[in-house]
Amino acid sequence: EIVLTQSPGTLSLSPGGRATLSCRASQSVSSSQLAWYQQKPGQAPRLLIYAASSRATGIPGRFSGSGSGTDFTLTISRLEPEDFAVYYCQQYGRSPYTFGQGTKLEFK
Amino acid sequence: QIQLVQSGGEAKKPGASVEVSCKASGYTFSSYGINWVRQAPGQGLEWMGWISVDNGNTNYAQKFQGRVAMTTDTSTSTAYMHLRSLRSDDTAVYFCATGGQWDSARELDYWGQGTLVTVSS
Repeated sequence: EIVLTQSPGTLSLSPGGRATLSCRASQSVSSSQLAWYQQKPGQAPRLLIYAASSRATGIPGRFSGSGSGTDFTLTISRLEPEDFAVYYCQQYGRSPYTFGQGTKLEFK
Repeated sequence: QIQLVQSGGEAKKPGASVEVSCKASGYTFSSYGINWVRQAPGQGLEWMGWISVDNGNTNYAQKFQGRVAMTTDTSTSTAYMHLRSLRSDDTAVYFCATGGQWDSARELDYWGQGTLVTVSS
């Protein structure tokens, strides 16, 4: 199965800052079939990005995704207080559709 | 708006079975498949499998093959996940989420609120 490794494990930033989250795959992810999700405590995950770089419906423009092959990035350009959460990447190119272990974005 | 409403929490003993339901509304039920994802306490997300509402095809993660069964009832727009031979490490929150209509390879658009299944003697 494809193993996704996210880094860093924890990212400490302030509102207004820029967040760069990494997701590296153990094998190439076909057709950039990679998604990013945001999860807040006690809530279900929310889809942010699909196909590596397409924003899901209703997702603000400050969220952007990039990458291909084995290296993918989620960027949040100007952090808002509601952006502090855990972020997961998921590949859906090869079953089983694995998730990364998550990056926690916390207040500095 | 699209909503997935899951059944309430369950407490089970090791060796028992559990069934979690996921009732869909706000869209044509057969337009999306349903995925099941679980999250152990304090841990990350784990994809369990997918079912096409349209034709009943399934794709289960090998880890759960033989122990999980995913079904749907189009008359009530409800999906079900049945997991048997429960162990303590099956304790988790189980989520349903919409996905591909005919192909499991798709992002998970909409999620249910989650159902906590606790397995303990």
